[in-house]
Amino acid sequence: GAGVSQSPSNKVTEKGKDVELRCDPISGHTALYWYRQSLGQGLEFLIYFQGNSAPDKSGLPSDRFSAERTGGSVSTLTIQRTQQEDSAVYLCVSSPSGGAPRGPDTQYFGPGTRLTVL
Amino acid sequence: DQQVKQNSPSLSVQEGRISILNCDYTNSMFDYFLWYKKYPAEGPTFLISISSIKDKNEDGRFTVFLNKSAKHLSLHIVPSQPGDSAVYFCAASAGSASKIIFGSGTRLSIRP
Repeated sequence: GAGVSQSPSNKVTEKGKDVELRCDPISGHTALYWYRQSLGQGLEFLIYFQGNSAPDKSGLPSDRFSAERTGGSVSTLTIQRTQQEDSAVYLCVSSPSGGAPRGPDTQYFGPGTRLTVL
Repeated sequence: DQQVKQNSPSLSVQEGRISILNCDYTNSMFDYFLWYKKYPAEGPTFLISISSIKDKNEDGRFTVFLNKSAKHLSLHIVPSQPGDSAVYFCAASAGSASKIIFGSGTRLSIRP
């Protein structure tokens, strides 16, 4: 795989349902971020995984949001009891060493999952 | 609390002229600043960065200026080209292992 993949690319769900968004990062990358972009807004940090360290969950907007990263690779972002304000594009970012890149091509964004909550 | 702010949601510049995109930040602990470019239906891609120990970094047509006392940075693109039309995100981080905080983006349109 050449890059970060996310699935599904689009998800439409009804208010109150649970959704799972998946991210397959680049193999060997130790850091993984989830961001979301709501309509007209910037990129909002959600959660950051770095190696075996405890994830930085400071950006999760509520306890309805959770994320896991299994085996240091694939990550799943789960939103329980979805609300209309959860509608956004959810972006996964993979980085070889975490933190801010000190040069080009060291942080790779996935194509995103567009979530629409009706 | 927006730690990274891009107060201009959009900017239109004539082809060949200079594009200046501005960004302000509030967290004095930020020590690394980045600009990303995003085309429609694609994820953002890294463009240029600057460390807080510098006040200028240049890469071809792109130059980033950092004014720490004003907590302000700017991205200059000269000369502007049609392919530069995109959304530009300013971002910052505090420390080598910390998360990156993004601004809300500025949509740059280059007109013929």
